[in-house]
Amino acid sequence: NAGVTQTPKFQVLKTGQSMTLQCAQDMNHEYMSWYRQDPGMGLRLIHYSVGAGITDQGEVPNGYNVSRSTTEDFPLRLLSAAPSQTSVYFCASSYTMTAVGGYEQYFGPGTRLTVT
Amino acid sequence: AQSVSQHNHHVILSEAASLELGCNYSYGGTVNLFWYVQYPGQHLQLLLKYFSGDPLVKGIKGFEAEFIKSKFSFNLRKPSVQWSDTAEYFCAALNQGGKLIFGQGTELSVKP
Repeated sequence: NAGVTQTPKFQVLKTGQSMTLQCAQDMNHEYMSWYRQDPGMGLRLIHYSVGAGITDQGEVPNGYNVSRSTTEDFPLRLLSAAPSQTSVYFCASSYTMTAVGGYEQYFGPGTRLTVT
Repeated sequence: AQSVSQHNHHVILSEAASLELGCNYSYGGTVNLFWYVQYPGQHLQLLLKYFSGDPLVKGIKGFEAEFIKSKFSFNLRKPSVQWSDTAEYFCAALNQGGKLIFGQGTELSVKP
């Protein structure tokens, strides 16, 4: 198993450009999520998905779109990049995530994005 | 809104000292709690988790945490830290809606 993979590892964008961060997992996990990590702010949930075709907003969804057409893939789209979106982005997946019992989340290696 | 607070932003200890990192959550319903660790240059790894039952949970590498429902707390402890424990530690809470919310993180530096 490759686990959770993310591409690219590094990206520099100009303000106003759009791009898609890719995330894939090969563990047949239902739950996938995107976080951004900023110094002193921990990880903040951007969007998450509890299964194919189902997505929901997290704490900081503005400026980002997601879709979940397959179980394996959960791309994150930046519609019009802004300097405030400079961050490290982590994708994570889990077998499931309900109040009955959350399972361990597996994190990808991250994408370091700089918006100038 | 659900939130998780970690009160210590940066902790500096000498090897063999005892560690306790604070974590408080605001959600009042059924909640599952986690501690993750991020070693320098690496991604997050699970240390331990609490779902139900014994409020004292043991994790990997000698870490443990105690869930105190009345205090909305889930503090992380280790009796004797090592230089290799230098990392950033994150507390997280999962609510019934499936949202996993992280605290701000605590950077631990262990001096050899």
